[in-house]
Amino acid sequence: DIQMTQSPSSLSASVGDRVTITCRASQNISTYLNWYQQKPGKAPKLLIFAASNLQSGVPSRFSGSGSGTDFTLTIDSVQREDFADYYCQQSYGAPYSFGQGAKLEI
Amino acid sequence: QVQLVESGGGVVQPGRSLRLSCAASGFTFSTYGMHWVRQAPGKALEWVALIWYDGSNQYYADSVKGRFSISRDNSKNTLYLQMNSLRAEDTAVYYCARDLGYKYGHPFDYWGQGTLVTVSS
Repeated sequence: DIQMTQSPSSLSASVGDRVTITCRASQNISTYLNWYQQKPGKAPKLLIFAASNLQSGVPSRFSGSGSGTDFTLTIDSVQREDFADYYCQQSYGAPYSFGQGAKLEI
Repeated sequence: QVQLVESGGGVVQPGRSLRLSCAASGFTFSTYGMHWVRQAPGKALEWVALIWYDGSNQYYADSVKGRFSISRDNSKNTLYLQMNSLRAEDTAVYYCARDLGYKYGHPFDYWGQGTLVTVSS
């Protein structure tokens, strides 16, 4: 099974900061990597699919990069509504594992 | 618009069974693979199961294999998760999610609001 490891597990930022979250896969997953945002008590929301493709309706300050085993989610100029949990997920094959999450706090 | 609405959660004793449902609307249900994902209180997301668009193949996480069964009724636009031999560690919010498909790398683009399952005596 493919293991996904995110870092850091939590991070603090101020409005306007640039934030980067990384995700590492235990084996080569090409670009089968997705990023989700989750706010308390809500369902996850797809932000980025196939490593670098912005989901429709997601602000352009979100971007993703990487391939193989190492991936990055970047938020340029963090806004107040971006403070949430972020998860990476591999969709290379079942079981479709998620990372342990990264909490972005003010 | 796309909607996924889960139901069937509740409090159940260890060893008992429960069936979750996910009613889909706003899209052609029979052309999409569907997943169940769960989240224990304060924990990360955990993928549970996948069923192909036509129901021909199912895949499970090791933690539920042999106890849970995913199925679908395309005539009713409904996804199911039959959960047997429930354990305390199955306590979680259960989400159904739509698989956007191979062309896009299988991301989960729509999610339901979730239904809480609590396994406790």
